[in-house]
Formats: sequence, C-alpha cells, structure tokens
Amino acid sequence: GENVEQHPSTLSVQEGDSAVIKCTYSDSASNYFPWYKQELGKRPQLIIDIRSNVGEKKDQRIAVTLNKTAKHFSLHITETQPEDSAVYFCAASLNNAGNMLTFGGGTRLMVKP
Amino acid sequence: DTEVTQTPKHLVMGMTNKKSLKCEQHMGHRAMYWYKQKAKKPPELMFVYSYEKLSINESVPSRFSPECPNSSLLNLHLHALQPEDSALYLCASSRDRGNSPLHFGNGTRLTVT
Repeated sequence: GENVEQHPSTLSVQEGDSAVIKCTYSDSASNYFPWYKQELGKRPQLIIDIRSNVGEKKDQRIAVTLNKTAKHFSLHITETQPEDSAVYFCAASLNNAGNMLTFGGGTRLMVKP
Repeated sequence: DTEVTQTPKHLVMGMTNKKSLKCEQHMGHRAMYWYKQKAKKPPELMFVYSYEKLSINESVPSRFSPECPNSSLLNLHLHALQPEDSALYLCASSRDRGNSPLHFGNGTRLTVT
C-alpha cells in the first residue's frame, strides 16, 4: 500500500518568514495530494490540493509543488502569521482507491510573533 | 460554521455501555467516512460509505458498528469499548469517491473509562 513520509515533525519560524514542509510518497500511481491544516482542538481543514497533471498550484500565501519523478510534494507558506500555527498533514491518494487518503505523520508549525 | 455536524462533542462511557455517534451533512455528498484520531497522530480511516453502502472497512473491531440510514446521516454505534479506544472520532464527507476534497466535522472526543 501507499506510504507517506512527512518532514519536519516540528517547525518553528519567525513571523514573516517562509515555511516549507515536505512529503514523499511510495506509490507512483498516486495522483491526488491534499494538504490539511488542523488547529488545536479543531477539525482538519483542506487548505490546498494538487493533482498529478499539475506541477505547482498557488493560493495567495500558500503554494504546493509536486515532483512526480522523485515522488515528493511540498507545501510552501510565505509571510507566515501567528494564525498559521497549527499541525499540517499531507496526504496521497490513488484514483482507483476511491478517495482513500494516506496521511503523513504531521508537522507542527509554530509561528513566533 | 462547519458543513458536517457531529454530535455529541464529548462523550464519556464505561466499557459496558452502548452509545452512538452521529454525523450529518446537507451538501449532497454521496461519500461519508469515519476516521479515528489519537493525540498528535494523523487521522486513521475506519469506514467508508458510498451511496449509503459500506464500501470500506479497514479491519475495524466489531465493537464499532457503522450505519448509514440515508445519504445525509452517518452513525457509529459503540459497544464494549476499551480504554485504548479513547480518541477523537471524525466524520467526513466528499462529493464522491473520485478524489474529491474531504470535509471534516469537528469530531466527538470519546473517553472510555
């Protein structure tokens, strides 16, 4: 089955700096890669996703890049703000697996004011 | 506001109790999911319903019994749970099972005593 590794497990940045979280996946047939943000005591919320026919996607301060050859994808957050502090999960899914996401282990991002 | 509503928010139950968790969505989504999340871990898939039929059971013990009475409702019946079953139980829905984004509810924090 699919295996998703996520690094780092914790990340501390100064407000205004950029943050990068990286994930690798094992199954080259995976074709859907969402990112979820989970604030303390709250539900995971989708912040951005990318499909395998696209190399990069951007939404304001958030961008995701995908390298299918190397089987890794990354989340980039620019101009970080304290409200970006949360746990971020990457995930991967095979199209023929019916939306069964395999999650990475999570990254706790702390943005210091 | 969350588009997926879960009740109750918190539940404490003894190992001999029978209780149910409830989930409701009115987005017209045809796929619904139960996930279990332990502290500092990613969500783990338990069950998937597609068009009100159980399509995935991730080897979950029989003390957890899912039910999908209609396309908007999803229940999780609990019986004879163990203390290690204490966790956050998240319901999610998606338009279908074709790699469409998951919408999570706020979860039920379950404690088994």
